[in-house]
Amino acid sequence: EAGVAQSPRYKIIEKRQSVAFWCNPISGHATLYWYQQILGQGPKLLIQFQNNGVVDDSQLPKDRFSAERLKGVDSTLKIQPAKLEDSAVYLCASSWERDSYEQYFGPGTRLTVT
Amino acid sequence: GESVGLHLPTLSVQEGDNSIINCAYSNSASDYFIWYKQESGKGPQFIIDIRSNMDKRQGQRVTVLLNKTVKHLSLQIAATQPGDSAVYFCAENRGTYKYIFGTGTRLKVLA
Repeated sequence: EAGVAQSPRYKIIEKRQSVAFWCNPISGHATLYWYQQILGQGPKLLIQFQNNGVVDDSQLPKDRFSAERLKGVDSTLKIQPAKLEDSAVYLCASSWERDSYEQYFGPGTRLTVT
Repeated sequence: GESVGLHLPTLSVQEGDNSIINCAYSNSASDYFIWYKQESGKGPQFIIDIRSNMDKRQGQRVTVLLNKTVKHLSLQIAATQPGDSAVYFCAENRGTYKYIFGTGTRLKVLA
C-alpha cells in the first residue's frame, strides 16, 4: 500500500513570499490532517478535514494560512505571506475515518523562510 | 494549560540494553495515548497505543505503561537496537480525534 505523499520535500523562500504544499493521502482515507512541526518540538495540528469538509481549524493562523481539500482526496496548504517563524516541517497525515485513531504520516515538507 | 511533556530530551543507551522513555500529561480526561517514532527526514510512525482503561500494553519488544494516578506514560524498548535510534513522541487524545504531541525524546543507541 502506498503511503502518504507530500511535495515538495524542501522549500526555501524569503519572508513575505507565498508557498504551497501538496498532500496525497492513502487511497480511501477519509480524514486528512496538516501539522506544523517546529524544530525540537512535537507536531502541532493546523487543520483536519473529513472528506472535503473542515473538522477543526482552530489552530490555523487564518490571516496567512489556508488549506483546501477539493473532491475529498488531495489537499494543499498555502502560506501567504510567509514569516520567519513559519520555518518548520509541514506534515500531512491521513486516517480511514474520523474515529480511526491510527494516523499515517507523510515524510513532510521542510520550509525555510529567510 | 493542557500539555503533554517529556522528562528527558535525550537518552543514550548501550545496544542490547533496555530503554525507558517517559512522558507526563496534564489532562486527566485524556482517554487514549500513542507513542510515535520519528526518524530523521521522516514523518512520525505509530509504535503502540493504550487506552485509559488499561495500565499496560505489550507489543513486539515494546511495552507501554500508563499510570493515571500521576498522569505518567512510559515506553519501554527491550534489547535496544541501532535501528531504534530516533525521536520518540507521546501523544494524547481526548476523544476528539485531535492529538496533542509532546516535545519528544531523542534516543541514541551506542554500539
